[in-house]
Amino acid sequence: DAKTTQPTSMDCAEGRAANLPCNHSTISGNEYVYWYRQIHSQGPQYIIHGLKNNETNEMASLIITEDRKSSTLILPHATLRDTAVYYCIVSLRGSTLGRLYFGRGTQLTVWP
Amino acid sequence: DAGVIQSPRHEVTEMGQEVTLRCKPISGHNSLFWYRQTMMRGLELLIYFNNNVPIDDSGMPEDRFSAKMPNASFSTLKIQPSEPRDSAVYFCASSGRQIPNTGELFFGEGSRLTVL
Repeated sequence: DAKTTQPTSMDCAEGRAANLPCNHSTISGNEYVYWYRQIHSQGPQYIIHGLKNNETNEMASLIITEDRKSSTLILPHATLRDTAVYYCIVSLRGSTLGRLYFGRGTQLTVWP
Repeated sequence: DAGVIQSPRHEVTEMGQEVTLRCKPISGHNSLFWYRQTMMRGLELLIYFNNNVPIDDSGMPEDRFSAKMPNASFSTLKIQPSEPRDSAVYFCASSGRQIPNTGELFFGEGSRLTVL
């Protein structure tokens, strides 16, 4: 029960910005949007998360629409090492607090 | 910090054998999660602990699976008896945030299990 919709795959040229979209139309008021990525054969890695405002860190930027029904992860200058599966996750509430459900994610391929 | 440490990294066993996977969370973290990843089903949450107490084990597939966390620095996931369909990569993750906040999860490198 991932509660998010992402494209199955995307590609991007090295050095260009990679913009990964995510729809989460049923997000609740206190639920956060998290992004993780998984490089082949490794464990998932946290990238960024946000509630309402746009966020930026050393890895990426997260743009959340005003109605919070969608978001975009931006890798400003993609490198070959950014090739990975990117997961957009909405945190759950109530008795399921503390869990993150991963969907299928988006396979991002960065080509030289 | 060494991060989340899992062992073994690879395990090949025969159907019917007992398998024990181990996890050492990051020191100071109070939440621990076991996930399973397969091509067919993707990444699935099996169970999670908070302060060494199992909070939700609804993702555990059946009675053959059990998980324990005897102390804050160690957890095990046991499969007895193992079956070929249990073949997967099992990830352990830990988090330092208290419930109700969903904090950032730190994942280990995973244990790749093959049951013949």
